[in-house]
Amino acid sequence: DAGITQSPRHKVTETGTPVTLRCHQTENHRYMYWYRQDPGHGLRLIHYSYGVKDTDKGEVSDGYSVSRSKTEDFLLTLESATSSQTSVYFCAIRRQGATGELFFGEGSRLTVL
Amino acid sequence: SQQGEEDPQALSIQEGENATMNCSYKTSINNLQWYRQNSGRGLVHLILIRSNEREKHSGRLRVTLDTSKKSSSLLITASRAADTASYFCATESNAGGTSYGKLTFGQGTILTVHP
Repeated sequence: DAGITQSPRHKVTETGTPVTLRCHQTENHRYMYWYRQDPGHGLRLIHYSYGVKDTDKGEVSDGYSVSRSKTEDFLLTLESATSSQTSVYFCAIRRQGATGELFFGEGSRLTVL
Repeated sequence: SQQGEEDPQALSIQEGENATMNCSYKTSINNLQWYRQNSGRGLVHLILIRSNEREKHSGRLRVTLDTSKKSSSLLITASRAADTASYFCATESNAGGTSYGKLTFGQGTILTVHP
């Protein structure tokens, strides 16, 4: 257990509404990541963070923004949700001193109607 | 685009048999990792092999890496029903400067082990 909590775990929303997913870690690790998982695509990186206020885009960042104002929290925001953003979203961390493996949260399932 | 491509997409075997999954990737890498995902759960790290390693073992898992062919295989020996899950390879690229630990995942292999 890497002390990662994602919230909400399930959310149904309507097209055009804003949505924020939260990833909270208890171990103060520097690197955090947001991935989305869709059938036929595996996991794709949305955004990542390498420190407080240090974030960058991943492979599929269009339509998403992130913020990291505290080490322990990494927020993913969909400013105006679209049906194509229906997905399962996973947060992950990389532990300091680890060889490179990531530790994942349990996922947030988002449905955009 | 996906860095890792896995095959087969699905594999069905009987308990006690061995399961082999393959992964191919495109760019040069620092390491290649394998993850497991049970239905409805997050991914769990299984094993990591560095680019200068050719083979690694962990319990019933054996991973090989061929950097000249940009490919890897995961062998699960003496499979159990509890091994039923999706398995993903992931690569940390060393192209383009600092990786920041970012991983690129394949599409996964769904393994079903029948009791």
